[in-house]
Amino acid sequence: QSALTQPASVSGSPGQSITISCTGTNTDVGGYDYVSWYQQHPDKAPKLLIFEVSGRPSGVSYRFSGSKSGNTALLTISGLQAEDEADYFCQSYASTTLYVFGTGTQVTVL
Amino acid sequence: QVQLQESGPGLVKPSQTLSLTCTVSGGSISSGDYYWSWIRQPAGKGLEWIGRIYYSGSTNYNPSLKNRVTMSVDTSKNQFSLKLRSVTASDTAVYYCARDAVEWSFDYWGQGTLVTVSS
Repeated sequence: QSALTQPASVSGSPGQSITISCTGTNTDVGGYDYVSWYQQHPDKAPKLLIFEVSGRPSGVSYRFSGSKSGNTALLTISGLQAEDEADYFCQSYASTTLYVFGTGTQVTVL
Repeated sequence: QVQLQESGPGLVKPSQTLSLTCTVSGGSISSGDYYWSWIRQPAGKGLEWIGRIYYSGSTNYNPSLKNRVTMSVDTSKNQFSLKLRSVTASDTAVYYCARDAVEWSFDYWGQGTLVTVSS
C-alpha cells in the first residue's frame, strides 16, 4: 500500500484561499468516503481537522473544508492566517491496510 | 476530555525489542466504543499507521510490520502497549498513540515519544 500523494508544499498570502490535493486509488480515497485531514505544527501531535471527507469536528474553524472527486480529495483553507502555517496530512480508510496516510504538505503563509 | 500519554525507553539497541505503553485518561478503554492505535513518524517524514487494538484484545496490524509487531491491552490500568521486535535504524521515529474515531479517523493523540534505535 503506497502513501497517498500530496504536493510537498503550498503557499499563499494572508486572506487568500489555498487548496491541498490528496490522490489515491479506488482501494482507498476513491472507494470510500472516509478521508480525513490533519494539521501538524512543529514538534506537536497531529490535530484532526476533517473526517469523512467534509465533516468538521467541534472546535475546528469553518475556514477548513474538505471535498472529494474520484480518487482525489481536497482540503481548502480559506482566509489564510499566519497560524495556519503547518504541515497537513490526509488519511484514508484502505481496503488493504485499514489506514493509509498522505505524504504531507507544508503550508507557508507568505 | 480524553488524554493519551506514551511512555517507554527513548533508546533501543539494534536487533532488540522496542516497547511502549499508552495510558488513557478521561475515558475507559473497556467501554468498547473505540479501537486504539499506534502511529509513527520518522523525523521530517510522513505518518505510518502501525496497528490497533480493541479492549477485548482483538488486533489489526499494518501488513508491512505485521511480522514484528505485537499489541496488548490492560484494561485494569487503562493502558495499551506496543512491542516491535528486531528493530533497525529505520524504526527510529516519534511514536504516537491515538484513538480511532468511529469515522475511520484519529480524534485524540498522545504528545508522541521519540524512540531512537542506536548502539
